[in-house]
Amino acid sequence: DAGVTQSPTHLIKTRGQQVTLRCSPKSGHDTVSWYQQALGQGPQFIFQYYEEEERQRGNFPDRFSGHQFPNYSSELNVNALLLGDSALYLCASSPGPIVSYEQYFGPGTRLTVT
Amino acid sequence: AQKITQTQPGMFVQEKEAVTLDCTYDTSDPSYGLFWYKQPSSGEMIFLIYQGSYDQQNATEGRYSLNFQKARKSANLVISASQLGDSAMYFCAMRGFQGAQKLVFGQGTRLTINP
Repeated sequence: DAGVTQSPTHLIKTRGQQVTLRCSPKSGHDTVSWYQQALGQGPQFIFQYYEEEERQRGNFPDRFSGHQFPNYSSELNVNALLLGDSALYLCASSPGPIVSYEQYFGPGTRLTVT
Repeated sequence: AQKITQTQPGMFVQEKEAVTLDCTYDTSDPSYGLFWYKQPSSGEMIFLIYQGSYDQQNATEGRYSLNFQKARKSANLVISASQLGDSAMYFCAMRGFQGAQKLVFGQGTRLTINP
């Protein structure tokens, strides 16, 4: 049983470019949340997707957008990249949006913006 | 708003000793959940243990236990008989049961186990 998977593992982009990160949830999970973890910090919540809709959003600008597909996989898009967007982006999946202690994280995508 | 505070940036412990990682929290939610995650250098957040605010007993999972003191708003992680493989970043997190269902994380504690 595969856990949460993310691609790519690493990514280097230039300021002003756009990037798309991908996440496949754990089998049986239908809710995906995205987090940004800057170096030396704890993860910060970006948004959550359930039933192909954004259900909640953290304090991130509109440059951050996402999508969830019918198979529950999800994408995170960041437009007009800034140097400050350099971080580890973590995807977490859970069985439904209602509170559950089952929230499993993927290995993350490390984004470097130069 | 919810807030997690981890006051120990780094901890150094001898192998086989027990270690306590501190976590205090603040929330106005009447019910909530508290989590501990381990993050090795590979980056993946590994779930360790969960404590619900209305659970009567402290949670335990193998060598991990959560020392939950609700009145003090603390949720310390205790690792018994530490192993070299326990060296990693450890994050305390919480989630309210109302409103936003997101996890709020602390700044983390880097634990180093010495042989």
